[in-house]
This record gives sequence, C-alpha cells and structure tokens, in this order.
Amino acid sequence: NAGVTQTPKFQVLKTGQSMTLQCAQDMNHNSMYWYRQDPGMGLRLIYYSASEGTTDKGEVPNGYNVSRLNKREFSLRLESAAPSQTSVYFCASRENIAYEQYFGPGTRLTVT
Amino acid sequence: AQTVTQSQPEMSVQEAETVTLSCTYDTSESDYYLFWYKQPPSRQMILVIRQEAYKQQNATENRFSVNFQKAAKSFSLKISDSQLGDAAMYFCAYYGGATNKLIFGTGTLLAVQP
Repeated sequence: NAGVTQTPKFQVLKTGQSMTLQCAQDMNHNSMYWYRQDPGMGLRLIYYSASEGTTDKGEVPNGYNVSRLNKREFSLRLESAAPSQTSVYFCASRENIAYEQYFGPGTRLTVT
Repeated sequence: AQTVTQSQPEMSVQEAETVTLSCTYDTSESDYYLFWYKQPPSRQMILVIRQEAYKQQNATENRFSVNFQKAAKSFSLKISDSQLGDAAMYFCAYYGGATNKLIFGTGTLLAVQP
C-alpha cells in the first residue's frame, strides 16, 4: 500500500516549457487535490476532483490544467511555465468518510 | 469564506517542555473538521491530530492534544514532553463539508532546543 505517489520529485524548467506532474493513490479515495506551497503562504488549492470525471478550480488555478484520468490518477499540467510557478507541489487524496487528506511527497519545481 | 489564522510564525521550546501552538478560524458552517499537520524538513505532510466540530471532547494523540473552543473559533495544539523530532512546520487546517476543500493556515515553525 504505497498511499499517494507523485512524480517527479524535482524538476527544473525554462520559461515557456510545459510539463505534467503525475499523481496516483491506491486507497480507493474519491476526492483528489493539487496544492502549491510557497514560503509564508501555507498550502493553496490549485484544482480538485471530487470524483472520477469531475474537476473544479481552487484558489489559484490560473496557468494550470488538470486531468482525472481514472479513480487512481490525477495529473497537473503547466502549459507554459512561468517563474511565478516556482513552488513545491503536493497531491493529496481524501478519505471518503473521515475527511482526512493524505499527501504525496511533493514535487519541487523551479522555473528559470 | 472560511479562513484559518496562525499568528505565531515561529516558536521555540526546550526539550521535555510543553508548548502550545495557536490557531483561529472563521466560518459560518456548523459541521466541520479541524486538523493539525506536521511538515518536517523531509517535506512530507503528516497528520498529527483531528477534531470533529460536533464533539465537545478535546482530541488527544499520545503527547499531542488540542484545546478546541468552538464559540471562540479557536483550535490550539499542545505538545507535551517535546522531543527533538517534533521540530517541524505545523499547519492548522479547516475542512467544511459544504465546500469539499481543506483550508490551511500559514504555518508555525517549531524549533526544539536540546
């Protein structure tokens, strides 16, 4: 039981490049989330998916797209990376009843 | 909209002593959950303790306990017998069933002095 896994762990992009962050969970959770963490600002919600086939914007969705590929996988795509997207990105999934969220190990992304 | 405030950016405690981290929140919902997460230097987010708003009894998990004051919208974390491994960033978080979102405070960085 791996919990929530994310790839890659580290990534450096040049401005304008694109990339997809992958996330998978093996706990049969319905809801999945993408957050970004910046110094002094806590974790802010980018997008979430309440169930397979649905996605909704969070607090800071601009510049990102998501895909809920199936119940296990939820990917985050940066179409044209900007230096303001330099951050640590976390994926999480939520228990169906108890509301606790379980987090992946995070991806440190640097955009130069 | 719901908000979570952690007014202590940094705290320090001596090993074996007790420390309390503060958290206040604002909501109009009656049904919600509150959490404390720990983030050590490894970056992994670890759930420390949870509290259901409908429960009057304060949650405890070994050396960690909360003081939940629903009317005051306050949710503080007490760490007893502090250990070096408790050094981390601690985040308070709110979850309301109507929004399906977890809202985080800005965190408190806890240092533990030997």
